[in-house]
Amino acid sequence: AQRVTQPEKLLSVFKGAPVELKCNYSYSGSPELFWYVQYSRQRLQLLLRHISRESIKGFTADLNKGETSFHLKKPFAQEEDSAMYYCAFTKRIYNQGGKLIFGQGTELSVKP
Amino acid sequence: DVKVTQSSRYLVKRTGEKVFLECVQDMDHENMFWYRQDPGLGLRLIYFSYDVKMKEKGDIPEGYSVSREKKERFSLILESASTNQTSMYLCASSSSGSPGGGELFFGEGSRLTVL
Repeated sequence: AQRVTQPEKLLSVFKGAPVELKCNYSYSGSPELFWYVQYSRQRLQLLLRHISRESIKGFTADLNKGETSFHLKKPFAQEEDSAMYYCAFTKRIYNQGGKLIFGQGTELSVKP
Repeated sequence: DVKVTQSSRYLVKRTGEKVFLECVQDMDHENMFWYRQDPGLGLRLIYFSYDVKMKEKGDIPEGYSVSREKKERFSLILESASTNQTSMYLCASSSSGSPGGGELFFGEGSRLTVL
């Protein structure tokens, strides 16, 4: 079965430190991967998707098919990055409808 | 802006009661979803719908049903609420237009407590 694993429930770093949130998926085909973020008292929203190959709020994520990973990275964490982060996966089928499978989530805490 | 609105932010119900959670989206999206969000478990898909009157089971459909009579509205029904259904429920919608499925837009959530 397809699955997304985020091994860390909580990641705590100091402001200015690099941060990496880990995400591994299990699927042998072509996946489409996303990172969603939920800030305190806000709704869950898309942060970035691998197909766009873009940097959002300083975050990047590279799909590594060999390691089946899609880790989220930022070189210098800011306090406003503190939030819950979810990795999500869908099969890459045109017009499939976007059913996403989510990981367990990682809470990022950036301390001053 | 896409708006997904969940009618109830907080509900408290008793065991055995029937519970309706309503969700409306205003962007003419084909796809709608119901997830439950629990600490340590992430988001788990309950049901989803690709079109009016169509529904498919997600990963945890037991104890739930859904209704999609109109394109903009997707309702989640708990026929007989139980304490293990105490959770945060998230509704989401997306367009079918993009390859692999489009971005999901979420509502603010409905926090249900079953006593």
